[in-house]
Amino acid sequence: DTEVTQTPKHLVMGMTNKKSLKCEQHMGHRAMYWYKQKAKKPPELMFVYSYEKLSINESVPSRFSPECPNSSLLNLHLHALQPEDSALYLCASSHVMRARNSPLHFGNGTRLTVT
Amino acid sequence: GIQVEQSPPDLILQEGANSTLRCNFSDSVNNLQWFHQNPWGQLINLFYIPSGTKQNGRLSATTVATERYSLLYISSSQTTDSGVYFCAVVTDNYGQNFVFGPGTRLSVLP
Repeated sequence: DTEVTQTPKHLVMGMTNKKSLKCEQHMGHRAMYWYKQKAKKPPELMFVYSYEKLSINESVPSRFSPECPNSSLLNLHLHALQPEDSALYLCASSHVMRARNSPLHFGNGTRLTVT
Repeated sequence: GIQVEQSPPDLILQEGANSTLRCNFSDSVNNLQWFHQNPWGQLINLFYIPSGTKQNGRLSATTVATERYSLLYISSSQTTDSGVYFCAVVTDNYGQNFVFGPGTRLSVLP
């Protein structure tokens, strides 16, 4: 069983919709991540939050807007997406330790389809 | 940036067979992790192994950081081992920028 919970499991949205993906962890981790995974490809890093502050943004288009309301929660707000944004969106968390980090723990993902 | 390669890209095994998966990386890394992604998309931690050897049941992993590679061994494979195996490396000092290899797709036949 995963200790990182993502909702919803599946999401279908139109290009004019606004929706949000949610992620929650209770492992005391202070780093949280969003990854995007297209079919038959590895996960690609989108954003990293460290101590609730955005520490890495991998040049993600502004139609994806992350938010970290507290140390346990991570949201990804979606607006005006394109069909090519359809993918599996994975949330992960880890401890924050200089030089030697802790392993990534992934949630089960949200499978997003943009119509 | 760092390049991560995995081999073989695809592997088909008969149940009960053994296999070795390889991960090569182009630069020094602070950490390395192996994952199994099952057919439902769930990414499962297998090993967190910046160096040395670890074993967990039928699986074991060895990382030789000085030579920039890691190996994942699967013994007595089972159909539930099917899926994609990824290695991911960390290069930054705060350990947050994980870079994934392209994966090895494993199919274990009954």
